[in-house]
Amino acid sequence: KAGVTQTPRYLIKTRGQQVTLSCSPISGHRSVSWYQQTPGQGLQFLFEYFSETQRNKGNFPGRFSGRQFSNSRSEMNVSTLELGDSALYLCASSLGQAVNEQYFGPGTRLTVT
Amino acid sequence: DAKTTQPPSMDCAEGRAANLPCNHSTISGNEYVYWYRQIHSQGPQYIIHGLKNNETNEMASLIITEDRKSSTLILPHATLRDTAVYYCIAPPLRSGGFKTIFGAGTRLFVKA
Repeated sequence: KAGVTQTPRYLIKTRGQQVTLSCSPISGHRSVSWYQQTPGQGLQFLFEYFSETQRNKGNFPGRFSGRQFSNSRSEMNVSTLELGDSALYLCASSLGQAVNEQYFGPGTRLTVT
Repeated sequence: DAKTTQPPSMDCAEGRAANLPCNHSTISGNEYVYWYRQIHSQGPQYIIHGLKNNETNEMASLIITEDRKSSTLILPHATLRDTAVYYCIAPPLRSGGFKTIFGAGTRLFVKA
């Protein structure tokens, strides 16, 4: 079974621009979570989607948004990029039941200049 | 999520067992303990999870104390490829999905 895929793997953007990252979960998984990882803050939860609905949200500004499609694929968008948004963005998929493990993708490395 | 506490770093000799401790004294009775690891520049990898009983899979064993206030992840024969950051988490059991909080984890160095 194919793992979680994320595109693009690397991205360079300029301050003020916006960016869209994509995540394709493992087949049959209905939950997709997004995380931001930086050297200073570690792995931080952004939001989680299940059946096209956002179920949980972390403490990030409204510039960070996401959505999930009917095939469970998910996108996250960051508008008005800031230098501090430079990070590794990871998505993880799971079956979506109350107790189950998450499987992470390789991440998208975003650099904002 | 129940707060978890892990040592910031540990060393282990190649071929020996690596025992990684985790304290989760505030864990609720229905909250599972999960372990993940992250090898440099890769996405975290699920290792194992448990509720009350000890668990074993092809990667590791998980020992949970009877009072569930702490657990130990055991890599029976550590290799250089096991060098990674290991995260212990205890997300709340909820019908409304995940809001998983990762701490700083334990950086395990396996040395030849």
